[in-house]
Amino acid sequence: GAVVSQHPSRVICKSGTSVKIECRSLDFQATTMFWYRQFPKQSLMLMATSNEGSKATYEQGVEKDKFLINHASLTLSTLTVTSAHPEDSSFYICSASWRGANYEQYFGPGTRLTVT
Amino acid sequence: GQQVMQIPQYQHVQEGEDFTTYCNSSTTLSNIQWYKQRPGGHPVFLIQLVKSGEVKKQKRLTFQFGEAKKNSSLHITATQTTDVGTYFCGDNQGGKLIFGQGTELSVKP
Repeated sequence: GAVVSQHPSRVICKSGTSVKIECRSLDFQATTMFWYRQFPKQSLMLMATSNEGSKATYEQGVEKDKFLINHASLTLSTLTVTSAHPEDSSFYICSASWRGANYEQYFGPGTRLTVT
Repeated sequence: GQQVMQIPQYQHVQEGEDFTTYCNSSTTLSNIQWYKQRPGGHPVFLIQLVKSGEVKKQKRLTFQFGEAKKNSSLHITATQTTDVGTYFCGDNQGGKLIFGQGTELSVKP
C-alpha cells in the first residue's frame, strides 16, 4: 500500500517558538494532502486541505496565520505551527490521496507536539 | 457544517463476542469510509461504501450503508484481541473526510 511519512515523530518546543512538521508521500504523488489534529481519546479534526501548487483551504476556526501550510511538490507538504503555545500541544496527523485512489486517504504516523 | 455522529464511544467485549459501531447523520452522506486506529498508531483505511444499501464483507468485518445513505455500521463477528483499537467512520465529501467521534473497542481475552 501507499506509504506516508511524517517528521519529526515527536517534538518538544518552548512557548513562542515555531515548529515545522513535514509530511511526505514516499511511493506515490499526492494531489491532495490533509492536516488533522487529534486530542487524546478524541476524533481527528480536519484543519486544512492542501493541493499541490495552490493555497491551502482551512476549516472554520483554524487560524491560517497560526498554522502555515505549504504544499510545494506532489510528495511534500509542511505544517508550521507559529508562535506555539501550550494549548497547541496535540497529535498532528497528515494524510495524502490522489484521485485515482477513489479518495482513499493514506495517513502518516503522526507528530506529537508538546509546547512547554 | 455536516456532523457525523458515531456510537457508542466505548465498547468493552469478551473475546469471541460480536461488536457493532454505528455512524449517523441528519443529512445524506456522500460516501462513507471506515478506518481503524490502533492504540498509539495512525488511522488505516478499511473500506469505502458508495451505494445506498451497500453491504461489504472483509473476513469477520461486515460494513453496511443505509438505504437512505444517512447511516452506516461496522459489525465484527467473534472479536479477537487483534481487533482492539478505535474505529472511525468518515463522510467523504469530495475527498475531504469528516470523521465521526470514533468507537474505542477493547477486547478481554
